[in-house]
Amino acid sequence: DTGVSQDPRHKITKRGQNVTFRCDPISEHNRLYWYRQTLGQGPEFLTYFQNEAQLEKSRLLSDRFSAERPKGSFSTLEIQRTEQGDSAMYLCASSRHHSTGGMNTEAFFGQGTRLTVV
Amino acid sequence: SQQGEEDPQALSIQEGENATMNCSYKTSINNLQWYRQNSGRGLVHLILIRSNEREKHSGRLRVTLDTSKKSSSLLITASRAADTASYFCATEVRTTDSWGKLQFGAGTQVVVTP
Repeated sequence: DTGVSQDPRHKITKRGQNVTFRCDPISEHNRLYWYRQTLGQGPEFLTYFQNEAQLEKSRLLSDRFSAERPKGSFSTLEIQRTEQGDSAMYLCASSRHHSTGGMNTEAFFGQGTRLTVV
Repeated sequence: SQQGEEDPQALSIQEGENATMNCSYKTSINNLQWYRQNSGRGLVHLILIRSNEREKHSGRLRVTLDTSKKSSSLLITASRAADTASYFCATEVRTTDSWGKLQFGAGTQVVVTP
């Protein structure tokens, strides 16, 4: 296993189009996270999953954003009707987590998908 | 909103000097982690310190945690040009029924000149 994989690495889309990103986490990790990062800022939390269950969704995430992790393995993040403000780096991370003990490994990040909306 | 705030926002030092950056956070945490990010790349985990620990070392890195002040510091000793990067602290915070949500600060941009 070579780590967290994200696809595509870069995406340029026209405003109003839909885009979908994929994240393949480290295989034994039960937690999967999505973050958005703009230039000069830290990653902003979007949502995260424990296995296939979506545990929390940020208020930053409008109804145009949806994320799934159908079989508790890979995840997809879809943005509908993209806007120029959606241009950012979208980062995925995974970790191993105990339900009561919390995170017992660090989060491993993918290289991100850079989205540009023109 | 972001949980942590790093200080300073930017730091410029020469090779061989030590670099210290601080992180403050707002809510109870399970652990605090430091990450490094080279320009345009993904984040790389550096070190994790649990809420019941006060200090941790890893190579040239030293991290302290003061839960009473809700603050942490990262010290990089004998810095190298390759340490040039942005450094972020992240806290594992509690959600409604479990720990696990990882929240980041805005980062400290470190430049190490030869």
